[in-house]
Amino acid sequence: DGGITQSPKYLFRKEGQNVTLSCEQNLNHDAMYWYRQDPGQGLRLIYYSQIVNDFQKGDIAEGYSVSREKKESFPLTVTSAQKNPTAFYLCASKDLSTDTQYFGPGTRLTVL
Amino acid sequence: GQSLEQPSEVTAVEGAIVQINCTYQTSGFYGLSWYQQHDGGAPTFLSYNALDGLEETGRFSSFLSRSDSYGYLLLQELQMKDSASYFCAVRDRAAGNKLTFGGGTRVLVKP
Repeated sequence: DGGITQSPKYLFRKEGQNVTLSCEQNLNHDAMYWYRQDPGQGLRLIYYSQIVNDFQKGDIAEGYSVSREKKESFPLTVTSAQKNPTAFYLCASKDLSTDTQYFGPGTRLTVL
Repeated sequence: GQSLEQPSEVTAVEGAIVQINCTYQTSGFYGLSWYQQHDGGAPTFLSYNALDGLEETGRFSSFLSRSDSYGYLLLQELQMKDSASYFCAVRDRAAGNKLTFGGGTRVLVKP
């Protein structure tokens, strides 16, 4: 089946540790995105990539880093510089022909 | 930059009709999308309007007026499973392929 996978679904980390969230897609989409969602809020864009080996900062990139070495993969690292990392993180890829974003199931990160 | 406004919450009974309005401000409007998100889940695509008018997909319809910078999502024959948050999102030419999302409207359907 085609789709987007994120792992793990729930993740716990101690304060001060870096953590990397996985995002993989087999939809052959060029564009991929990372969003952060806090309780009762909308989605805020962290980073996005329109093609392999290229990515741009979104609206809240501070404290995060990404890489796009393969078309299928767009991992997000939450660094210790992110002051309030506890949130729900959503990865998405986009079908440019229909302008539709497809979201992964999300990773709920809790920093203790 | 871009900004979108939509109501925070709407409550209705099964079988009713709900309209969720969305007003937006952008520098280079390209299109308005709607997404549904159930609690704890990921957003799923509902509809996309690039041109003025009404797009109908089953019980859900979406409308756009570019001159008024306004759109709405219409949910008809409400069912309990329609209880979710609904987000409007705007694609802006000046912002490349990025989508900017509204804060979401939580729809609660009561029996």
